[in-house]
Amino acid sequence: EAGVAQSPRYKIIEKRQSVAFWCNPISGHATLYWYQQILGQGPKLLIQFQNNGVVDDSQLPKDRFSAERLKGVDSTLKIQPAKLEDSAVYLCASSLFPGVGEQYFGPGTRLTVT
Amino acid sequence: RKEVEQDPGPFNVPEGATVAFNCTYSNSASQSFFWYRQDCRKEPKLLMSVYSSGNEDGRFTAQLNRASQYISLLIRDSKLSDSATYLCVVNNNAGNMLTFGGGTRLMVKP
Repeated sequence: EAGVAQSPRYKIIEKRQSVAFWCNPISGHATLYWYQQILGQGPKLLIQFQNNGVVDDSQLPKDRFSAERLKGVDSTLKIQPAKLEDSAVYLCASSLFPGVGEQYFGPGTRLTVT
Repeated sequence: RKEVEQDPGPFNVPEGATVAFNCTYSNSASQSFFWYRQDCRKEPKLLMSVYSSGNEDGRFTAQLNRASQYISLLIRDSKLSDSATYLCVVNNNAGNMLTFGGGTRLMVKP
């Protein structure tokens, strides 16, 4: 079974530039999550989708971050404009149902903002 | 106060040692609990769920103390391959969201 796919794996941008990350969850998983993991910290949930609807985006900095999952399958997370403190690994995860303990994570995108 | 707190470590132990990690959570309404493992520069993966009655999986034992709001993970007979960061995870059910602790780093030495 194919796992969660993410691209790109690495990205380096200057502050104030924009960047987009892509995620393709495990086939059949209705729930998709985007997490931000800053070095030395645990993953922090940014947004959770159930099919193509947003379940929770309370921790998403909406002035600069946006995410969509238009067809209920793959998803895009965008940052515009980026700040230095956005440097982190952005992890996408999926699960069959919301709130289950077993979430399957992709390899992440490592973002460096200079 | 953080929702889920862990000692970041690192815990440096020799092979064969027994090591225990604790984790505390602040939301008394939390319903389910998990331990994830994250290798260096890799994604987190579910290690085990934590049940009220405690549970064991080989060398790993997880326990929950609801009264004191803490979760523990015990690793017996540590192997070099156990070196990783162990993340304590709590589901508050109300929001169907998982909240991750900051992780505890374990280094097992020969």
